Amino acid sequence: AQTVTQSQPEMSVQEAETVTLSCTYDTSESDYYLFWYKQPPSRQMILVIRQEAYKQQNATENRFSVNFQKAAKSFSLKISDSQLGDAAMYFCAYRTSTSGSRLTFGEGTQLTVNP
Amino acid sequence: GAVVSQHPSWVICKSGTSVKIECRSLDFQATTMFWYRQFPKQSLMLMATSNEGSKATYEQGVEKDKFLINHASLTLSTLTVTSAHPEDSSFYICSARRLAGEGGGETQYFGPGTRLLVL
Repeated sequence: AQTVTQSQPEMSVQEAETVTLSCTYDTSESDYYLFWYKQPPSRQMILVIRQEAYKQQNATENRFSVNFQKAAKSFSLKISDSQLGDAAMYFCAYRTSTSGSRLTFGEGTQLTVNP
Repeated sequence: GAVVSQHPSWVICKSGTSVKIECRSLDFQATTMFWYRQFPKQSLMLMATSNEGSKATYEQGVEKDKFLINHASLTLSTLTVTSAHPEDSSFYICSARRLAGEGGGETQYFGPGTRLLVL
């Protein structure tokens, strides 16, 4: 079975500091895609960043970057210069090319940003 | 960015009634949409995959006669909770699949969710 594990139910960070959220996944597929979604208190799911497994270069989106370790099946999210608006639940998700676009989500990490 | 809307955002109904939730992709066509359910402080649970012009595919354990899905057009999918009961109270979220070629790769965009409370 394909699984996504987020081992940190809660994390906190000081404003302007850097925080890393962990995610590991388990798959036997070679072609897949990884995502980080953010769900703020409004509960609107927002795509933060995506990574194609065939790409060796780590994806970056402004203050958000990933550390993709394919052999270790690890996909962590680094948030630099944390802002109060980054406070949210973060979900790691995974999709294979054979899953019919179905996403498998991790359990989520609640991020608190302290002023 | 891609926009997906849901209506209504909030609904309260009496036990035994049916509730319809709409999911629309506003600026792209979506042959595939997904319906999720989310309990407080938990992850999203996929209920079903909605395919335009064909029957929905339900996940194991989801009652298809309870949760009716209709994907009548490339921009609209509906979820009807039939004969709702208090245990159906939850947060329902839809997403729409945007295909590669319309902005850089296949991605799911989510609606804002619908909060259902069954009394």
